[in-house]
Amino acid sequence: KNEVEQSPQNLTAQEGEFITINCSYSVGISALHWLQQHPGGGIVSLFMLSSGKKKHGRLIATINIQEKHSSLHITASHPRDSAVYICAVPPATGTASKLTFGTGTRLQVTL
Amino acid sequence: NAGVTQTPKFRVLKTGQSMTLLCAQDMNHEYMYWYRQDPGMGLRLIHYSVGEGTTAKGEVPDGYNVSRLKKQNFLLGLESAAPSQTSVYFCASSDRVNYGYTFGSGTRLTVV
Repeated sequence: KNEVEQSPQNLTAQEGEFITINCSYSVGISALHWLQQHPGGGIVSLFMLSSGKKKHGRLIATINIQEKHSSLHITASHPRDSAVYICAVPPATGTASKLTFGTGTRLQVTL
Repeated sequence: NAGVTQTPKFRVLKTGQSMTLLCAQDMNHEYMYWYRQDPGMGLRLIHYSVGEGTTAKGEVPDGYNVSRLKKQNFLLGLESAAPSQTSVYFCASSDRVNYGYTFGSGTRLTVV
């Protein structure tokens, strides 16, 4: 089973700050998912990436396959970005869609 | 709206009661999953299905059963609910090549 570690577990930022959330995993993978969950809400898929970098609005995700590490960046953070961010990876072998999830990073952005 | 729909959204059960959670997707995805989410723990896979008529056990399958009689539906059953099954349950689906992983909005289940 792939082990997934996220850091930090909790993060508080002021509006406008640049935010970085990190994810490390133990076994080589084909792709990594970043998910967002608002308090009491459902889970939304933000990115799936297998190499390099992806950008969507103020969100940027990067991955280094050799180092087994991914980062999620939020530029010009806003209170509506307050949520739990979760990274998830497939197993090295077997059914690629059976994801293992990190425990999440709880982000709070204040005015 | 396209996506994954879960019913019900909330439910309170007494210990020993049974219930079925329904998940429906309209994206023609092959794979469907049931996860549970508990405080301090990541999402954990209960059961999954790689196609109509197939099911398989995940990480925490005990106390649950599933069925996938139609491609678009994936049912999760609790035959005799226990307080340890108090959790938020998420259904998800994905296509065969792992793109477009989509989650439902969750079912908050309390067993008293």
